Amino acid sequence: GAVVSQHPSRVICKSGTSVKIECRSLDFQATTMFWYRQFPKQSLMLMATSNEGSKATYEQGVEKDKFLINHASLTLSTLTVTSAHPEDSSFYICSARGVRGLGEQYFGPGTRLTVT
Amino acid sequence: AQRVTQPEKLLSVFKGAPVELKCNYSYSGSPELFWYVQYSRQRLQLLLRHISRESIKGFTADLNKGETSFHLKKPFAQEEDSAMYYCALSGGQGGSEKLVFGKGTKLTVNP
Repeated sequence: GAVVSQHPSRVICKSGTSVKIECRSLDFQATTMFWYRQFPKQSLMLMATSNEGSKATYEQGVEKDKFLINHASLTLSTLTVTSAHPEDSSFYICSARGVRGLGEQYFGPGTRLTVT
Repeated sequence: AQRVTQPEKLLSVFKGAPVELKCNYSYSGSPELFWYVQYSRQRLQLLLRHISRESIKGFTADLNKGETSFHLKKPFAQEEDSAMYYCALSGGQGGSEKLVFGKGTKLTVNP
C-alpha cells in the first residue's frame, strides 16, 4: 500500500514553454502533498505544501507564479513549471501524507525535467 | 529554526562490520524523527520512524533528546545496505507537518 506515482518520469522542453507534472496517490487519500526539488548529489529541498481544496503554501524563495500547484482532489496534485528556463532543469519529487498514519510521507519516483 | 545535520557525507564499511549513521537535529518542540533510504535508481522510502521504535532490515534508531540525536545503527552491515540515507524531522503533533531533511549520507558496504 501507500504508492505514489508521478507522470511523466522524464520530460524535455524548450525554454519558454510550460510543463505539467502530475502526482497521484494510488491506493490512499492524501490530504497533503508536498513538492520537492533535488539537485544532483544534494538533498531534497521542499518547494511547497499542497492541501486539497486550498492554495499551496510555498517555501521562502520559491516563486509561486512560476511553480503553479493545484491539488484538486484527494489523490491528485499537479505542479506546472511556467515559462521554463534551463536553470529550472532538475529532479522534481512529490510526496503524499495520508489521512491516517503516523506523519510519514510516501514519495513518488520523481520527474527529471530538462529545459533546453 | 528546524535543522537536521548529518555530518558524514560518505561512509564506507566492510560487510559484517557495525555501522552508525549520525544525525543531529535542532528543534524547539517535540519533533518526529524519520530515516529515509534511497537505493540506487529507486525512490525515497521510509526506513524508520522514532515513534514506532521498530527495527527494519536490522536497523534501529533511538531518539536521544538530551543529545538531540537520532543515529541509525546496524550491528552487521550487508552489501545490499549500500544506499543514500536521509534523516528527517517534522514538527510532531501540533507542529508543522513538513519534513526537513539532512543532506544525506552515502553508505557503501564493501564485500
